[in-house]
Amino acid sequence: QSVLTQPPSASETPGQRVTISCSGSSSNIGRNAVNWYQQLPGTAPKLLIYVNNQRPSGVPDRFSGSKSGTSASLAISGLQSEDEADYYCAAWDDSLSVWMFGGGTKLTVL
Amino acid sequence: QVQLVESGGGVVQPGGSLRLSCAASGFTFSTSGMHWVRQAPGKGLEGVAFIRHDGSDKCYANSVKGRFTISRDNSKNTLFLQMNSLRAEDTAVYYCAKVDVWGKGTTVTVS
Repeated sequence: QSVLTQPPSASETPGQRVTISCSGSSSNIGRNAVNWYQQLPGTAPKLLIYVNNQRPSGVPDRFSGSKSGTSASLAISGLQSEDEADYYCAAWDDSLSVWMFGGGTKLTVL
Repeated sequence: QVQLVESGGGVVQPGGSLRLSCAASGFTFSTSGMHWVRQAPGKGLEGVAFIRHDGSDKCYANSVKGRFTISRDNSKNTLFLQMNSLRAEDTAVYYCAKVDVWGKGTTVTVS
C-alpha cells in the first residue's frame, strides 16, 4: 500500500482535460517537493513535472502541476492518444526516509 | 547526453545474492544524490534505497533494510546495489535514478 494515494484509473476523450490527484501527509507532500512521472508501456518513467509545478524542457505546456498542503495534482489539457500511460506522483518522506511514490494512475484516452 | 545504464540483473534462487551496477555519464555524478527504484511485474514504483552525493548518508525502504546495501564510486561514476538474502517478492525491474533521469532498468528474478 502506497503512502501517496492516487486514483487507480482515469479516462477522458481526446481534446478534453483530465486531472489526477495525489494525496499524502505532512511528512511527505506537506514538507517536500512533488514530482510527476509518465510511464509508457515497457519503458522507464519519464519526468513530467518537478518541484510541484515546473516542466522540464521538452514537456508540452499541456501538462501542469500544482500542490496545496498535503495534496498535489497533475492536469493534462488537450488530451491526445499518446498521453495514454501510467502516471505517478513522488515525494520524499521525512518519517520513512525514502522516496515515496503513489500507486499510479492508468490514463485511458477514449 | 545524460545517461544511466544498469547491469547485473538475472535469475537467482531464494536466499541468493546479486550486485547491481549503474554507470552514469553526461552529468556531474559526484554532486548528485542517487536512488534505486524497483517495479514488480504489473505493479507500481517503489523507492528502494537512496545515497547522498558523497556517500555520507544512506536510506532504505523497510522492505529491504538489513538485506540491501547501496554504495557508490564517484571516481568511476558508478552506483551499486548489493542485494543479499533475496526473496521471491524482490522480483522486479530495478531502476537507477536521479530525479530527472532514469535508466532503462535491469530485471531481477528470484525463483
